[in-house]
Amino acid sequence: EVVLTQSPGTLSLSPGERATLSCRASQSVGGNYLAWYQQKPGQAPRLLIYGASKRATGISVRFSGSGSGTDFTLTISRLEPEDFAVYHCQQYGNSPITFGQGTRLEIK
Amino acid sequence: QVQLQESGPRLVKPSGTLALTCAVSGGSISSSNWWSWVRQPPGKGLEYIGDIYHSGSSDYNPSLKSRVTMLVDKSKDQFSLILTSVTAADTAVYYCVRWAGDDAFDIWGQGTMVTVSS
Repeated sequence: EVVLTQSPGTLSLSPGERATLSCRASQSVGGNYLAWYQQKPGQAPRLLIYGASKRATGISVRFSGSGSGTDFTLTISRLEPEDFAVYHCQQYGNSPITFGQGTRLEIK
Repeated sequence: QVQLQESGPRLVKPSGTLALTCAVSGGSISSSNWWSWVRQPPGKGLEYIGDIYHSGSSDYNPSLKSRVTMLVDKSKDQFSLILTSVTAADTAVYYCVRWAGDDAFDIWGQGTMVTVSS
């Protein structure tokens, strides 16, 4: 199976700063079918990015995804207070579907 | 707007069977989507369990395949998860999710916490 490794495990930043989250796959992700989800405490994950770089409906333009093959990045251009959460990457191009272990984005 | 709602027992005894149902509202389970289950143990990451199409065709995570069955009931717009021989390691929040093909897991239920304990 494709193992996804997210880094860093925890990212401490201030509102207004730029956040860069990494997701590295153990093998090439088929079709670049890589998604990013945001999860707040006590809530279900919310889809942010699919197909590596496409924003889901209603997602702010501050969120952008990039990458291909084995290396993918989620960038949040200017952090707002509501952006502090856990972010998960997922690949759905290879069976079985797998998730990364998550990156916690916390307020510095 | 499609919504998903999980239901089922919150407490299951070790070696017993976990059974959850997901009700689809605001849309049809017979649409061109796959219907999935994902779980999250307390304080841990997400784990894909498997998915099912309205035809009944299914795919399971190999790590759970020997214990998992998924069913679909088109007449009720519902799909179900059955997990046998549960242990404490199966304690988790279980989410039902719509897998919209290329568009990833776009709609999630609120999740239901299931505890395996005697």
